[in-house]
Amino acid sequence: KNEVEQSPQNLTAQEGEFITINCSYSVGISALHWLQQHPGGGIVSLFMLSSGKKKHGRLIATINIQEKHSSLHITASHPRDSAVYICAVFTGNQFYFGTGTSLTVIP
Amino acid sequence: SAVISQKPSRDICQRGTSLTIQCQVDSQVTMMFWYRQQPGQSLTLIATANQGSEATYESGFVIDKFPISRPNLTFSTLTVSNLSPEDSSIYLCSVSQGGPYEQYFGPGTRLTVT
Repeated sequence: KNEVEQSPQNLTAQEGEFITINCSYSVGISALHWLQQHPGGGIVSLFMLSSGKKKHGRLIATINIQEKHSSLHITASHPRDSAVYICAVFTGNQFYFGTGTSLTVIP
Repeated sequence: SAVISQKPSRDICQRGTSLTIQCQVDSQVTMMFWYRQQPGQSLTLIATANQGSEATYESGFVIDKFPISRPNLTFSTLTVSNLSPEDSSIYLCSVSQGGPYEQYFGPGTRLTVT
């Protein structure tokens, strides 16, 4: 069993739709990251959070420590949001990564 | 945040050869990390590169196959030796800055072995 599970694995949305990507984890963590990986492979860190909620532009990330669950929301989705979104947790010693959610936003 | 560059961005190599990947950071960092992402898989840590000491390898990764250099606080190289098609992956460099749980990733090197 993976320490980090994401759902869905693949997601196709129409431009403008509200999108939610979920992440569940089974280990105790110090922090959780949401990462964005573009087709070329490069990874950008979107959020790092250890509690509550963060918002950056059209992106919102929430975490529930008790339930060991985090969500990434994208409001008013756009084709340029098409990427793989990866959830990663840091235990204090090491990172565990989810396998990613591949998002395609269709114009 | 740290800005990380990697060279090459992609390469196609023949079986049995080696590829050296360079990672350059725009500021001094203590810890640099090398990850592998095989097709359809999550990231897997290969090793932690510490300046002035031997790299620390994760289980399943050995120095003979993945030699690493860390000559200073802004630069590291990862060599993937004796390439086989199973080595076809994206290799990512990352650094920790501002705290052990703050990691920044490079653009990645996409390796295809024929």
